[in-house]
Amino acid sequence: GQQLNQSPQSMFIQEGEDVSMNCTSSSIFNTWLWYKQDPGEGPVLLIALYKAGELTSNGRLTAQFGITRKDSFLNISASIPSDVGIYFCAGHSGANSKLTFGKGITLSVRP
Amino acid sequence: DGGITQSPKYLFRKEGQNVTLSCEQNLNHDAMYWYRQDPGQGLRLIYYSQIVNDFQKGDIAEGYSVSREKKESFPLTVTSAQKNPTAFYLCASSIESQYNEQFFGPGTRLTVL
Repeated sequence: GQQLNQSPQSMFIQEGEDVSMNCTSSSIFNTWLWYKQDPGEGPVLLIALYKAGELTSNGRLTAQFGITRKDSFLNISASIPSDVGIYFCAGHSGANSKLTFGKGITLSVRP
Repeated sequence: DGGITQSPKYLFRKEGQNVTLSCEQNLNHDAMYWYRQDPGQGLRLIYYSQIVNDFQKGDIAEGYSVSREKKESFPLTVTSAQKNPTAFYLCASSIESQYNEQFFGPGTRLTVL
């Protein structure tokens, strides 16, 4: 089946640093979504991307839909303690398809 | 406020008992979904429904059942046939199942003793 690969499983950064995460697939996706999940809560949608090459920002977050349609990137600038959480990528590969999720990256921010 | 609610937040059950998890949305979304999340794992799809009175099995439907009698509600029953029911269960909804973003509820943590 389709898989989305996110690595590493955990990232540790210093407050104020920028961080970049990517999500890759062996197959083409038509939609890329990035979610953040706080401990014990449901994922919250951060950014949605619908077009190859698209670059979208949401505050300190910037995400890009890879030109090959097989990857996506999420950048967080000037990290703060509340950025701590699990970041999931997800994608749709076609009409009526289910949403495929990556396993997530746990981000820790040291004050 | 519009959103998705799940209740209860924490649920404890004895082994062998069926348990039903509630999911309600007032977003007027057509599609609803149930996922299971285990530590260190991504979200795995249990069941989904694109329209009232219709639903389809996801990747791990064995031991679970659902109903979709109303647009707003999509309850999930964890039956005694589910071998490892202890997990975090997430409900989501979307305008329709094609391409659109899914929005999640706060989750229910089920512990089977």
